[in-house]
Amino acid sequence: NAGVTQTPKFQVLKTGQSMTLQCAQDMNHNSMYWYRQDPGMGLRLIYYSASEGTTDKGEVPNGYNVSRLNKREFSLRLESAAPSQTSVYFCASSDPPAGSAYFGPGTRLLVL
Amino acid sequence: GENVEQHPSTLSVQEGDSAVIKCTYSDSASNYFPWYKQELGKRPQLIIDIRSNVGEKKDQRIAVTLNKTAKHFSLHITETQPEDSAVYFCAASYNNNDMRFGAGTRLTVKP
Repeated sequence: NAGVTQTPKFQVLKTGQSMTLQCAQDMNHNSMYWYRQDPGMGLRLIYYSASEGTTDKGEVPNGYNVSRLNKREFSLRLESAAPSQTSVYFCASSDPPAGSAYFGPGTRLLVL
Repeated sequence: GENVEQHPSTLSVQEGDSAVIKCTYSDSASNYFPWYKQELGKRPQLIIDIRSNVGEKKDQRIAVTLNKTAKHFSLHITETQPEDSAVYFCAASYNNNDMRFGAGTRLTVKP
């Protein structure tokens, strides 16, 4: 039981490049989330998916797209990376309304 | 959307003392309030949570209280130990969707 896994662990991009962050969970959770964490800013919700086939914007969705590929996988895409998107990205999953959220190990992204 | 404010941003205590971190939330519909601990370079990990039908919950040295009328909730850590040093985050949501976090409190426990 791996819990929530994320790939890659670390990535360097040049401004304007695109990439997809991958997330998978093996806990049969219905809901999945993407957060970004910047120093002193806490965790800010980018997008979430309450169930397979649905996605909703969170607090800071601009510049990102998501895909809930199936119940296990939830990907985050940066179409044209900007230095302001340098951050640590965490994926999480939960089973509302009773279940708590569990986080993946994070992806550290540097945009030059 | 929900807005969560957390205070203080930093907290330093002596080993054995108690630590209290406070959060307020804006959306009266929120009914789920977890607390996470994050050590340097690690993922956030759930330490305790409370739902809106409960006023207080305890787990060994950790307790959380909730005042729905005032829309605030607090984390209490008693008999602090150096390994309690970390960043603590509160969060609030309705049924665990669209969960919003506070900015975090860096707790330092001095031996």
